[in-house]
Amino acid sequence: DADVTQTPRNRITKTGKRIMLECSQTKGHDRMYWYRQDPGLGLRLIYYSFDVKDINKGEISDGYSVSRQAQAKFSLSLESAIPNQTALYFCATSGAGTGGDSGANVLTFGAGSRLTVL
Amino acid sequence: GNSVTQMEGPVTLSEEAFLTINCTYTATGYPSLFWYVQYPGEGLQLLLKATKADDKGSNKGFEATYRKETTSFHLEKGSVQVSDSAVYFCALRGGSNYKLTFGKGTLLTVNP
Repeated sequence: DADVTQTPRNRITKTGKRIMLECSQTKGHDRMYWYRQDPGLGLRLIYYSFDVKDINKGEISDGYSVSRQAQAKFSLSLESAIPNQTALYFCATSGAGTGGDSGANVLTFGAGSRLTVL
Repeated sequence: GNSVTQMEGPVTLSEEAFLTINCTYTATGYPSLFWYVQYPGEGLQLLLKATKADDKGSNKGFEATYRKETTSFHLEKGSVQVSDSAVYFCALRGGSNYKLTFGKGTLLTVNP
């Protein structure tokens, strides 16, 4: 089984619908992240969580919300999807620490969830 | 704030050609630098890293040297293979900053 599992892998929905993307990890890490990938824009951080009680906004959190249900689970919701939220979404996890060789520097990514909003 | 600029692709090479993907950065203090690779249909995975000036990261025949004087971390490989076809992302983490800052990615296609 993959270290980081994302569901669904592909989803097509309509404008205005509520969508949830789910992520679970078996790495035992405290830190989890949601990124969005768009062609030519690289990866942009949506939300991150350093533990179950900690949720923080990233660069582009507007229109998104998250829930950290357990150490291993971190879901991303689009309350009312719009077409410019069409993108590839990645969940990632990492260890903690601030040093150059800390586990926080190495992200383990899921395979991605491709969302299309019509 | 922190930023990463990497050469725009796509880059198309023949097998066994030499590869360079340029990456420069802007950051305060002494960041750690990374290259991540994304193979088709997969998530990103760490390729190599360097945590201080003049360090050389290496993995799978790829190398990159942390050059503080030129704020660069260029990725090189002497002889690419078809299996190296992927998107390559340069990234940095500055000091105690919580997050990685990624470049926009460079698509590499290697033809037989």
